[in-house]
Amino acid sequence: AQTVTQSQPEMSVQEAETVTLSCTYDTSESDYYLFWYKQPPSRQMILVIRQEAYKQQNATENRFSVNFQKAAKSFSLKISDSQLGDAAMYFCAYRDGSEKLVFGKGTKLTVNP
Amino acid sequence: DTGVSQDPRHKITKRGQNVTFRCDPISEHNRLYWYRQTLGQGPEFLTYFQNEAQLEKSRLLSDRFSAERPKGSFSTLEIQRTEQGDSAMYLCASSLVGSGGKLFFGSGTQLSVL
Repeated sequence: AQTVTQSQPEMSVQEAETVTLSCTYDTSESDYYLFWYKQPPSRQMILVIRQEAYKQQNATENRFSVNFQKAAKSFSLKISDSQLGDAAMYFCAYRDGSEKLVFGKGTKLTVNP
Repeated sequence: DTGVSQDPRHKITKRGQNVTFRCDPISEHNRLYWYRQTLGQGPEFLTYFQNEAQLEKSRLLSDRFSAERPKGSFSTLEIQRTEQGDSAMYLCASSLVGSGGKLFFGSGTQLSVL
């Protein structure tokens, strides 16, 4: 079964600084998607960024970018110029041909002013 | 487009009671998903619908759980004879076929079974 591991239960960053959240996954599939979702205290999961495994180029969405290392099965999220509104739980997720998303346990990000 | 809405936001019930949650997806989305999230964990897949057809169910979905999406629009999730282990947040999400897994989530229903 596919698994997603987030090894950092908590991370903190100073406002305007850069932080990287780690994620590794296990799969025998070659074609899949990877995601980072943000869950603020309001509880609503919000898609931050998506990576398709067949694309070698790392996805970028404004201040958010990923480092996708397919051979190492690693998918880290970099947040640049951190803002107070970035404080939330961040979940890494995997999806292959199934419609099922498999989530990691999450990383709680604190942004210090 | 008001996003995915879920009702109620909180539900407190006694063990053994039945509860029902409702999810209204984004109107043009044909796929609808239910996930369960317990404290300190990521969401776990329960089931999903494409239009009114329930296409996949997790083994987590015991026979006390039933989900419906009668007209391919809103969905309900019913839990019969609730147990304390059912206490969790129940998340609904929707998406369009072909969107590559881009799910839009609601704010969830927090269930507490006493």
